[in-house]
Amino acid sequence: DAKTTQPTSMDCAEGRAANLPCNHSTISGNEYVYWYRQIHSQGPQYIIHGLKNNETNEMASLIITEDRKSSTLILPHATLRDTAVYYCIVRQMFSGGSNYKLTFGKGTLLTVNP
Amino acid sequence: DTGVSQNPRHKITKRGQNVTFRCDPISEHNRLYWYRQTLGQGPEFLTYFQNEAQLEKSRLLSDRFSAERPKGSFSTLEIQRTEQGDSAMYLCASSFPRDTRREKLFFGSGTQLSVL
Repeated sequence: DAKTTQPTSMDCAEGRAANLPCNHSTISGNEYVYWYRQIHSQGPQYIIHGLKNNETNEMASLIITEDRKSSTLILPHATLRDTAVYYCIVRQMFSGGSNYKLTFGKGTLLTVNP
Repeated sequence: DTGVSQNPRHKITKRGQNVTFRCDPISEHNRLYWYRQTLGQGPEFLTYFQNEAQLEKSRLLSDRFSAERPKGSFSTLEIQRTEQGDSAMYLCASSFPRDTRREKLFFGSGTQLSVL
């Protein structure tokens, strides 16, 4: 079972920041938070991941709360091409554990409107 | 880096027939994963390989399903005696985790299977 809770859908205006929340209240100390997205008719695409510090890359920023029970993915300037299902996933650091593989939930459908 | 390639993109078959899908991972990626995705759901893990060794199989992978990765390069997923419930998108992903804490999976575009 997925260990995260995300809203089913969200809307965002083109050019504005998209803030996608995720709750992972049962996360353990050896689990990372990963974000992937899936554009229609394509396979999932890696976005970003983090452990406890905020992370930023060319695609997005990841803000993780101090208690690590929730996080927010931020797309700073959403475009129409960012319309996709966004998956928040918690995953163990090392292989051998039951939660090492990526376990996807239903994700959040983000619709960017013109 | 030409990406993960999956063939065919679409497959229509009759119930009871056998089907085989192929996945070509990114060159030199030593890990290869198979997932299945049905409409409105997130991808579900099926199995994964490290090089040629199949290290884990999901309970979803019934006896009718078999996956191979000879020589640790491309992989095939075969479904025998297909059932209508096998209709889904079959996704392949590969990775080369120099640091397993930072493993990133690269997915192909999938093979859409329709069982009539």
